[in-house]
Amino acid sequence: GQQLNQSPQSMFIQEGEDVSMNCTSSSIFNTWLWYKQDPGEGPVLLIALYKAGELTSNGRLTAQFGITRKDSFLNISASIPSDVGIYFCAGRSSGNTPLVFGKGTRLSVIA
Amino acid sequence: DAGVTQSPTHLIKTRGQQVTLRCSPISGHKSVSWYQQVLGQGPQFIFQYYEKEERGRGNFPDRFSARQFPNYSSELNVNALLLGDSALYLCASSVVGESEAFFGQGTRLTVV
Repeated sequence: GQQLNQSPQSMFIQEGEDVSMNCTSSSIFNTWLWYKQDPGEGPVLLIALYKAGELTSNGRLTAQFGITRKDSFLNISASIPSDVGIYFCAGRSSGNTPLVFGKGTRLSVIA
Repeated sequence: DAGVTQSPTHLIKTRGQQVTLRCSPISGHKSVSWYQQVLGQGPQFIFQYYEKEERGRGNFPDRFSARQFPNYSSELNVNALLLGDSALYLCASSVVGESEAFFGQGTRLTVV
């Protein structure tokens, strides 16, 4: 099935560092969602983006909806150990269409 | 408020058997979608239901089927299990027409 191009695949960072990851698609989306998944759990919604160019924050997390509507970025500032997990981007072309996911970015934080 | 609940949390089945997975959406959410997540991949869409009708189907064989009940809960059935069906099966609920989807903790299915 279709998957979005998400990068990097994995990253190891020092506690306190900032993190950036991105997601690209060959299709236009009307909504971008960012999720975090811990081992053995379901994905948890972090941020939802609805408009091209939109920049939205949730605490130390900031995400942007690319102006081409084919990409999105997630930044995490001042990382902490509990940020460890797999981050997924997901796009949706309209309210009732299925979500298309990236393969995930595995984040490891070294204390 | 309760989130999306799925049962069972873990399941081991033998090849050729059949399995039924269950999902209760968030109260007030009438749309339920099922996703399959194999190790190392993002979730892949299987089915979407709302108002008790199938509204979308992903690229999965006919061995996969689902239904939605009047209380908006849902079941996913998989027949003639194959080793490759081993995965985390996720249920997501949303308000019909809205883009945000909320996931349950998943059912880990292992086929041996």
